[in-house]
Amino acid sequence: KAGVTQTPRYLIKTRGQQVTLSCSPISGHRSVSWYQQTPGQGLQFLFEYFSETQRNKGNFPGRFSGRQFSNSRSEMNVSTLELGDSALYLCASSLPGHNTEAFFGQGTRLTVV
Amino acid sequence: ELKVEQNPLFLSMQEGKNYTIYCNYSTTSDRLYWYRQDPGKSLESLFVLLSNGAVKQEGRLMASLDTKARLSTLHITAAVHDLSATYFCAVASGNNNDMRFGAGTRLTVKP
Repeated sequence: KAGVTQTPRYLIKTRGQQVTLSCSPISGHRSVSWYQQTPGQGLQFLFEYFSETQRNKGNFPGRFSGRQFSNSRSEMNVSTLELGDSALYLCASSLPGHNTEAFFGQGTRLTVV
Repeated sequence: ELKVEQNPLFLSMQEGKNYTIYCNYSTTSDRLYWYRQDPGKSLESLFVLLSNGAVKQEGRLMASLDTKARLSTLHITAAVHDLSATYFCAVASGNNNDMRFGAGTRLTVKP
C-alpha cells in the first residue's frame, strides 16, 4: 500500500516568488491536512481539505492557500515568498470519519533565499 | 485556544532506564496522537488514543490517556539507543483532522 507522497522533496526559491507543493494521499483517504514545521514555531496547522472543500484553516496569512482535487490530491500554494517561509511542509491524509489515524508524507523542504 | 504542552522538552537517558514524557492540553479533545520524528524525516504514527483510560503499548513504549486531567503520558521502558528521536503529542476534535501539536520532546538514549 503506497503511503502519502509529497512532491517535490526539496525546493529552493527566491523571495517574492511563488511556490506550489503537491500531496497525494493514501488511496481511499479523502482528508488531507497541511502543516508547517520550523525550528522556532514547531508544527503548525495550515489547513485541512475534505472532499474538495476546505474544512478548517490555521492562523496563516492569505499568501498561503490550498486546494483539493476530485481524486483527493491536494496542492498548497505560497505566494510572495518571504525568508520566514523556509520550512518543512508536511501533509497528512486520513480516512473519512471520526477518530481516524493520520499518516504523514515525507515532506517538502522549502528554502527561500 | 487549544494549547498543548509537553515536558520535558529535552531528555537524555541511559540505556536500560525508564522514563515518562507528559502531554497536557488545555481544552476537551476527542483524540490524542503520539508521533515519532527522526532527524530530517517525517512523522511516524505511534499511537492514537480515543477514550478516557485508554492504554496502548508497542514494544518499549506505552501511551495512556486521562481525559479528565487532560493528560497523556508516553512511558519508555528499558530504553535502547534506537528510541532516540523527537516525540510529539497532538490533539484533535470532531471530524476535522486539524491536529495541534506539542513542542516535542527530544529524546537521546546513551549507552
